[in-house]
Amino acid sequence: DAGVTQSPTHLIKTRGQQVTLRCSPISGHKSVSWYQQVLGQGPQFIFQYYEKEERGRGNFPDRFSARQFPNYSSELNVNALLLGDSALYLCASSPLTGGYGYTFGSGTRLTVV
Amino acid sequence: QQPVQSPQAVILREGEDAVINCSSSKALYSVHWYRQKHGEAPVFLMILLKGGEQKGHEKISASFNEKKQQSSLYLTASQLSYSGTYFCGTLNFMEYGNKLVFGAGTILRVKS
Repeated sequence: DAGVTQSPTHLIKTRGQQVTLRCSPISGHKSVSWYQQVLGQGPQFIFQYYEKEERGRGNFPDRFSARQFPNYSSELNVNALLLGDSALYLCASSPLTGGYGYTFGSGTRLTVV
Repeated sequence: QQPVQSPQAVILREGEDAVINCSSSKALYSVHWYRQKHGEAPVFLMILLKGGEQKGHEKISASFNEKKQQSSLYLTASQLSYSGTYFCGTLNFMEYGNKLVFGAGTILRVKS
């Protein structure tokens, strides 16, 4: 079975631009969570989606938004990029919202210059 | 509220044991443990759902003390492959969903 797939793997953007990151969960998994990981720190929670509805939001500005599609894939959008948005963005899928471990994708490395 | 992990880093020789602790100031529904190797994604190790429950994964096990809002990860007879950063993730119920919050991590290095 395919694991969690994220695209693109690497991305370089300029300050002020917008970016869209994509995630395909494991087949049968209905929950997708997005995390931001800065080097040397633990993953920081951004969003959780379950059955196409937002189920949780972390302490990130409104420049960050996400959505989940009928096939359970998800997109994370970041507008008006700042240098501080440079990080590894991880997508994690799980069968349901609780009681199960998360399977992470390899991430998208975003660099804002 | 981010859980607190200790120690921040530990260096072991092959065959030695280690304990990594995770504590939270909030009541916990469950605790997750993950290992992340450099340049890779975090990999799920185990989840603890009940108070006092211990789970095992190869020579890695964990306990969850619900009353103390603490969990500990036990690595016995460590192997070189155990090297990496270990994260605990704690799950509290939000108003309308779940939010797995990770600690800052514990760097484990096993030397031969």
